[in-house]
Amino acid sequence: EIVMTQSPATLSVSPGERATLSCRASQSVSSNLAWYQQKPGQAPRLLIYGASTRATGIPARFSGSGSGTEFTLTISSLQSEDFAVYYCQQYNNWWTFGQGTKVEIK
Amino acid sequence: EVQLLESGGGLVQPGGSLRLSCAASGFTFSSFAMSWVRQAPGKGLEWVSSISGSGGRTYSADSVKGRFTISRDNSKSTLYLQINSLTAEDTAVYYCASSRWGLSSYFDYWGQGTLVTVSS
Repeated sequence: EIVMTQSPATLSVSPGERATLSCRASQSVSSNLAWYQQKPGQAPRLLIYGASTRATGIPARFSGSGSGTEFTLTISSLQSEDFAVYYCQQYNNWWTFGQGTKVEIK
Repeated sequence: EVQLLESGGGLVQPGGSLRLSCAASGFTFSSFAMSWVRQAPGKGLEWVSSISGSGGRTYSADSVKGRFTISRDNSKSTLYLQINSLTAEDTAVYYCASSRWGLSSYFDYWGQGTLVTVSS
């Protein structure tokens, strides 16, 4: 099983600042990496697939990068609606999720 | 508009069974692979099971293999998850999710989830 490790567990950021979230795979997943956003009481929402392609309707302030085992999700200027939990997921070999990074208001 | 609506959750005793359903609309259901993902209270996401568009291929996580069965009825645009021999560790919100590009792909749309609580 491919293990996905996200860091940090919690990220405290002020509105308007940049947030950088990391995701590491225990073995290469090529670019088969997605990011999801989940707000309290809601279902996850697809943000990024193929490591760097934004899903339909996702604002340009969200960007993804990386390949192989190291990946990053960057939110360039945090808006109030961006405070949520973010999960990475590999779909190269079955499907596994990271444990999540909570982005909270500083 | 893609819609996925889960149902069938509830309170069940340890050792019991449930069948979850996910009614799909707004897309050609038979062309999409479908999956179940669960989330225990206050925890992260865990992939449970996936099925190809035709229903001919299924995959399940080791944690549920032999107890959970995924299936689909393309004539009804509905996905199912039969869950047996439930334990407290199966308590979670169960989400269905679609994959436009088939198995080995990401999950592009998600339902709102149905809560399964296992307790005596």
